[in-house]
Amino acid sequence: AQRVTQPEKLLSVFKGAPVELKCNYSYSGSPELFWYVQYSRQRLQLLLRHISRESIKGFTADLNKGETSFHLKKPFAQEEDSAMYYCALPGKGGKLIFGQGTELSVKP
Amino acid sequence: DAGVIQSPRHEVTEMGQEVTLRCKPISGHDYLFWYRQTMMRGLELLIYFNNNVPIDDSGMPEDRFSAKMPNASFSTLKIQPSEPRDSAVYFCASRDSGTGYTEAFFGQGTRLTVV
Repeated sequence: AQRVTQPEKLLSVFKGAPVELKCNYSYSGSPELFWYVQYSRQRLQLLLRHISRESIKGFTADLNKGETSFHLKKPFAQEEDSAMYYCALPGKGGKLIFGQGTELSVKP
Repeated sequence: DAGVIQSPRHEVTEMGQEVTLRCKPISGHDYLFWYRQTMMRGLELLIYFNNNVPIDDSGMPEDRFSAKMPNASFSTLKIQPSEPRDSAVYFCASRDSGTGYTEAFFGQGTRLTVV
């Protein structure tokens, strides 16, 4: 079954520290993975998708098929990065499956 | 396009009352999703439609919940009767399968409080 696991509900770091939000997945075949971000009381919005191999707002994520992981990383966290982050992949029938989410808190 | 539009943004209702949440997807999108967000369970998929047809409603918690999509530009999620445990943020999202990406676009959400 397709599944996304984000083991950390809350991650707290200081400004300027490196950040890694973990995401592990279960999927048959080659997955298409996403990270979504939700700033306080706003809509979820796409942060990045693995097939684009892009860096958005300093964040990157590499798909590791051996470890079935898609961790989100940023070398130097900023206070404005504080938000809820969701990892997601497509499920059967065209739906999008989300992990439980990780709340990132960046302290000054 | 204004994006996915949901109404109302906030709803406070008494237990036992009927609640109707509304969603207007992005024009041309053929998939529509309803999600519920809570602290305990994160983001749960309740039901989704493809070309106005419900595809999977296995996430709907119980018979008190129902959803319709009478046309390509409108969907409703109804809770009757509502209970305090239904308090959550309900998101609608839409997607265009023709783009080749599975990215979904979300509305602002409806924050439901049942007292």
